[in-house]
Amino acid sequence: DTGVSQDPRHKITKRGQNVTFRCDPISEHNRLYWYRQTLGQGPEFLTYFQNEAQLEKSRLLSDRFSAERPKGSFSTLEIQRTEQGDSAMYLCASSLWAQETQYFGPGTRLLVL
Amino acid sequence: DAKTTQPNSMESNEEEPVHLPCNHSTISGTDYIHWYRQLPSQGPEYVIHGLTSNVNNRMASLAIAEDRKSSTLILHRATLRDAAVYYCILRDVWASYDKVIFGPGTSLSVIP
Repeated sequence: DTGVSQDPRHKITKRGQNVTFRCDPISEHNRLYWYRQTLGQGPEFLTYFQNEAQLEKSRLLSDRFSAERPKGSFSTLEIQRTEQGDSAMYLCASSLWAQETQYFGPGTRLLVL
Repeated sequence: DAKTTQPNSMESNEEEPVHLPCNHSTISGTDYIHWYRQLPSQGPEYVIHGLTSNVNNRMASLAIAEDRKSSTLILHRATLRDAAVYYCILRDVWASYDKVIFGPGTSLSVIP
């Protein structure tokens, strides 16, 4: 399977802990995106990368959130000092170029207790 | 950003055609109409997109009104696997941003 993969698929953590998610995009896709989705809502944009450069961050991405794509391949999304409101599905997508079709991974479901 | 309006939910019988409507009255000339769907517990999946002409692919057909203010996603024979949330999205190819802006979508139920 050469689609977008995300790890872990599920994460349960206690409030105040740090968590890190990984996304592996489709090989050779230059653009990588992170979205967050809460129950009953459509995905909301968080940030995106062109190769290793982070080009845009949403206001949803508070100071506790940080994303990296160090070598222009996989990406990590870290949430520090998690809060219950961070409980959501975190989705990663990739595309070959700007404005091209985005291909989504299966998501990481986070539950903060 | 131009916005879309979709019904919250729809039902269809299995093996019957399904017509999912989308209104986008403020669409601009450079907005493409995209459809994604999201199966339960999965990430969104691209379905189809178009600009002005009707489009067909192996998954669905997209019918676009002549004035482009509305469109319809057509599933020719609904199966149980088509039960999902369907999102109608506008993407401006000349936009400075590159994110996909999702609305709440239409939740499609397929009745056996």
